[in-house]
Amino acid sequence: KNEVEQSPQNLTAQEGEFITINCSYSVGISALHWLQQHPGGGIVSLFMLSSGKKKHGRLIATINIQEKHSSLHITASHPRDSAVYICAVGSNFGNEKLTFGTGTRLTIIP
Amino acid sequence: DAGITQSPRHKVTETGTPVTLRCHQTENHRYMYWYRQDPGHGLRLIHYSYGVKDTDKGEVSDGYSVSRSKTEDFLLTLESATSSQTSVYFCAISGEGPIWDEQFFGPGTRLTVL
Repeated sequence: KNEVEQSPQNLTAQEGEFITINCSYSVGISALHWLQQHPGGGIVSLFMLSSGKKKHGRLIATINIQEKHSSLHITASHPRDSAVYICAVGSNFGNEKLTFGTGTRLTIIP
Repeated sequence: DAGITQSPRHKVTETGTPVTLRCHQTENHRYMYWYRQDPGHGLRLIHYSYGVKDTDKGEVSDGYSVSRSKTEDFLLTLESATSSQTSVYFCAISGEGPIWDEQFFGPGTRLTVL
């Protein structure tokens, strides 16, 4: 079973700061997902990546397959970015299901 | 937004009673999933479906059963609810399998078992 660890567990920052959230996993994977859970509970998918980097607006996700590590960056953070960010990993080999991290709670202060 | 709804959104029930949660989608996606979310745990897969009448167990399937008689509906049944099944339950859908395709999540059902 893949172990997924996210850091930090909680992060508070001022508006405008550059944010980095990390995700490490223990077993080689085929793909990694980043999700956002809003304060109201709704969950949306942000990225799915298997190598390199992806960018969407102010969000950037990177993955290093060799180091079993991914980062989610937020540039020019805004209070509306306050949410829980969840990393999930999956592999085509064996159990083809996602394993989820426990999430990073981000709070952006105006 | 993906057309996915869950009902009920909130439910309080007593230990030992059966409970059925419904997930309904209008996207005609092949894959449907039931997760539970508890403090200190990541989302954990209960059961999933890869087509009508095709279902499989997830990592926390004990005490739960599912059925999918139509593409659009995926039912989760707690055969005899216990307090340990108090949780928030999320349904999700995807067009392809869970590894390579993004999942769209329903709004969640908060279940309390007294």
